[in-house]
Amino acid sequence: AAGVIQSPRHLIKEKRETATLKCYPIPRHDTVYWYQQGPGQDPQFLISFYEKMQSDKGSIPDRFSAQQFSDYHSELNMSSLELGDSALYFCASSAGERGDADTQYFGPGTRLTVL
Amino acid sequence: GQQLNQSPQSMFIQEGEDVSMNCTSSSIFNTWLWYKQDPGEGPVLLIALYKAGELTSNGRLTAQFGITRKDSFLNISASIPSDVGIYFCAGNNNAGNMLTFGGGTRLMVKP
Repeated sequence: AAGVIQSPRHLIKEKRETATLKCYPIPRHDTVYWYQQGPGQDPQFLISFYEKMQSDKGSIPDRFSAQQFSDYHSELNMSSLELGDSALYFCASSAGERGDADTQYFGPGTRLTVL
Repeated sequence: GQQLNQSPQSMFIQEGEDVSMNCTSSSIFNTWLWYKQDPGEGPVLLIALYKAGELTSNGRLTAQFGITRKDSFLNISASIPSDVGIYFCAGNNNAGNMLTFGGGTRLMVKP
């Protein structure tokens, strides 16, 4: 079965640079979520979108923004990168209208390293 | 904010033993999910629970949604080496669709 696709899998950036992470949800899933996981930590919710509209917002820094496009893929844009932004970034998707809105399936993640 | 307390933090067991881990919360959750994560990979869904009291199995895994809606447990029977990893509980309380994760249980299995 098709899973959530994330790209790139690894990304190395310098401080103050920008980064864009992409997420392609499971086909027919209309909700995407972004999570950040620091070393040895549990995933922390950043932001989510349902039908291309922002639905929930968590602990996402103002330097980050995200959007969901008409084909339901999503991009997380990160600017003025800081050392502390180094983490695994996960995208998850769910099928909002099919009764299992709360069942989120995670992608393999993007490992961002800021030097 | 809401927190999920997951225990134990780590377990080191012999192959073939049964394992039990649990999560508790001070607030009510409407959904409990259990995930397994290998190093550097994304969490993989093991079991999803939607109703208080629900008991669900997936092979050697069994999980229950506590009747108070404030706790859940995951049991693994007859552990094997490939069960090694970090197990996370996660809950959703419909204040939004975001998941709150427990701190994880690191499972190590000795062949």
